[in-house]
Amino acid sequence: AQSVTQLGSHVSVSEGALVLLRCNYSSSVPPYLFWYVQYPNQGLQLLLKYTSAATLVKGINGFEAEFKKSETSFHLTKPSAHMSDAAEYFCAVSDSRAGNTGKLIFGQGTTLQVKP
Amino acid sequence: GAGVSQSPSNKVTEKGKDVELRCDPISGHTALYWYRQSLGQGLEFLIYFQGNSAPDKSGLPSDRFSAERTGGSVSTLTIQRTQQEDSAVYLCASSQGDRQNGNQPQHFGDGTRLSIL
Repeated sequence: AQSVTQLGSHVSVSEGALVLLRCNYSSSVPPYLFWYVQYPNQGLQLLLKYTSAATLVKGINGFEAEFKKSETSFHLTKPSAHMSDAAEYFCAVSDSRAGNTGKLIFGQGTTLQVKP
Repeated sequence: GAGVSQSPSNKVTEKGKDVELRCDPISGHTALYWYRQSLGQGLEFLIYFQGNSAPDKSGLPSDRFSAERTGGSVSTLTIQRTQQEDSAVYLCASSQGDRQNGNQPQHFGDGTRLSIL
C-alpha cells in the first residue's frame, strides 16, 4: 500500500525567506508524486507533479520539488516566500503501474504561515 | 464554465436525512473522483469513475454512501441516513483519463461543505 508523510503540520516563515515543506512517501514501485495547494474555502490546485521524467520538477508560482528515490522524498521548496503563499499544502502519491486508477493518496497537509 | 463545478457549496441537514451532492466535471474528462476532507481523517479517496462505470469504490466508508455518473459527465454522491461523522467537505475532481490515469493531473472543484446537525 502507498502512503505519504508530511513532516510538520504547521510551518512559519518570514516573507522573503526560503520555504521548505517536507514529504516522504512509501510505495512498492516508483510512484507518481504531486503537490497541491488549498486556499481557504477552495478546492485543491496543482502546483507540480513528478511522473518519472526529470527528478527536479518546476511548478507554478516559483515552487519546485526534487524526487529523491534513495530518500523516498519529494520536498517542496521556494527560494523566497510571498504573503500570498500562505495556504495549506498537500503532498500526494498515485500508482504508476499499468491500469492504475489514478486515485490520490494524500499526506495530512502542512499549513504555511508567512509573516511580514 | 471551464472548471469542475460542485453544488451545493454548503449543505446543512438533520441527522438521519438523505443528501445528494452534485459534481459537474470538466467537459471531455472521462475520469472522475470523489474525495472527503475532514478534520480528523484528512483527505480520503472515496470512489473513481471511468466513464459511467466505477471500477474502484474502495473508499466508500459504508453502504449508506453511493454514487452514480450518467452520460459520462455529471456525478451524484448520495449519503443515506446521515450521521454526524459524515460532516466534512466533499471534493470532486476530474482528469482526462487514459490508460495511465496516474500521471494525469486532477482538477478539483471547490467542494460541498456538509454539516450534519
